[in-house]
Amino acid sequence: GAGVSQTPSNKVTEKGKYVELRCDPISGHTALYWYRQSLGQGPEFLIYFQGTGAADDSGLPNDRFFAVRPEGSVSTLKIQRTERGDSAVYLCASSLAGLGTEAFFGQGTRLTVV
Amino acid sequence: DQQVKQNSPSLSVQEGRISILNCDYTNSMFDYFLWYKKYPAEGPTFLISISSIKDKNEDGRFTVFLNKSAKHLSLHIVPSQPGDSAVYFCAASASGSNYKLTFGKGTLLTVNP
Repeated sequence: GAGVSQTPSNKVTEKGKYVELRCDPISGHTALYWYRQSLGQGPEFLIYFQGTGAADDSGLPNDRFFAVRPEGSVSTLKIQRTERGDSAVYLCASSLAGLGTEAFFGQGTRLTVV
Repeated sequence: DQQVKQNSPSLSVQEGRISILNCDYTNSMFDYFLWYKKYPAEGPTFLISISSIKDKNEDGRFTVFLNKSAKHLSLHIVPSQPGDSAVYFCAASASGSNYKLTFGKGTLLTVNP
């Protein structure tokens, strides 16, 4: 497909476990973003990649959260020692340049920590 | 501290009538504003935007108005259609960090046939 693809669509994990969420951006898009949408809230910025490097990771809530984009394409958001408060929809977006205003969003991964 | 506020969690209108969704912001550094539409189990999709140098932008049935002095913007949908039923998010970005969007909590619009 031509859009941003996120896998899995849904993930249920036990408290304390490690999870990885994957994002395949639109081909050729150098900028990639992760957002988190908790229940009843709007999406909240987590991290922005330009190419392979994280240009701004100020939105990551704590050091249990980490994201990589080793080849400047696919990105993985990693959450260690998951907590019930991590339950949310994790959205990925990509854009040609670093303009968040021109980003296309994926459908999200719904993470549930039980 | 919510920098972008959508104070109406929901709005219900009749098909064919006007829908008006409102958004307020507090950060005076915001200079670009967007509206996104979101259906269940889908990601947000871009609808319409406006730069702070303008006070109105129109695209078909959708018009966004910006009142900078009041730090207020609104989305007008005329005429409303049942397919417009979705959650609408207001978002903003600042020129110094235009890669980052700050979203409101969203307004659920229901258009009744």
